[in-house]
Amino acid sequence: QKEVEQNSGPLSVPEGAIASLNCTYSDRGSQSFFWYRQYSGKSPELIMFIYSNGDKEDGRFTAQLNKASQYVSLLIRDSQPSDSATYLCAVNDYKLSFGAGTTVTVRA
Amino acid sequence: SQTIHQWPATLVQPVGSPLSLECTVEGTSNPNLYWYRQAAGRGLQLLFYSVGIGQISSEVPQNLSASRPQDRQFILSSKKLLLSDSGFYLCAWSPNISNQPQHFGDGTRLSIL
Repeated sequence: QKEVEQNSGPLSVPEGAIASLNCTYSDRGSQSFFWYRQYSGKSPELIMFIYSNGDKEDGRFTAQLNKASQYVSLLIRDSQPSDSATYLCAVNDYKLSFGAGTTVTVRA
Repeated sequence: SQTIHQWPATLVQPVGSPLSLECTVEGTSNPNLYWYRQAAGRGLQLLFYSVGIGQISSEVPQNLSASRPQDRQFILSSKKLLLSDSGFYLCAWSPNISNQPQHFGDGTRLSIL
């Protein structure tokens, strides 16, 4: 069983819409959760982190964490073509475990 | 602020040749350091991590090795490259504190011919 699973995608959304990305993890003791954005051919870039249950907002991004359900999500509001990328969910158990990523395409 | 440098950006090597990729971090002390490989269209595979000079943990058996000769220097090596070693190699660092994110270098795209 994979430690971190993301919805497989690809996810195509129209410009201005909300993109919703989901991630589940297997280790109930995980303490910290991160979302990275990776443009094609580039390295991953940290865009959000969340440690506590609930929502955390940063600009157009909102991370949501539910430890009881072992579920973390990322919402991208008012999606722009520049948001087209692969989004990686990462969970910190004793090391950082990455999901395989969800590719998002924002169509103009 | 902290920065991470990784080189070269691209590398084309013949099968059986040696490899040395270098990564350095500036602006922090005693970082945790990591080497990942990302095959085309795939997720990140952790290869090695280090919590201090000379301390290397290997995550998967393979044709590669890592060394940390200085606090902020991490080197990925191979004596003889295989075709299967092709991929995007990423170095990352994190503070030596629990629950911190990792920050990645720009990566090295390695092609084996």
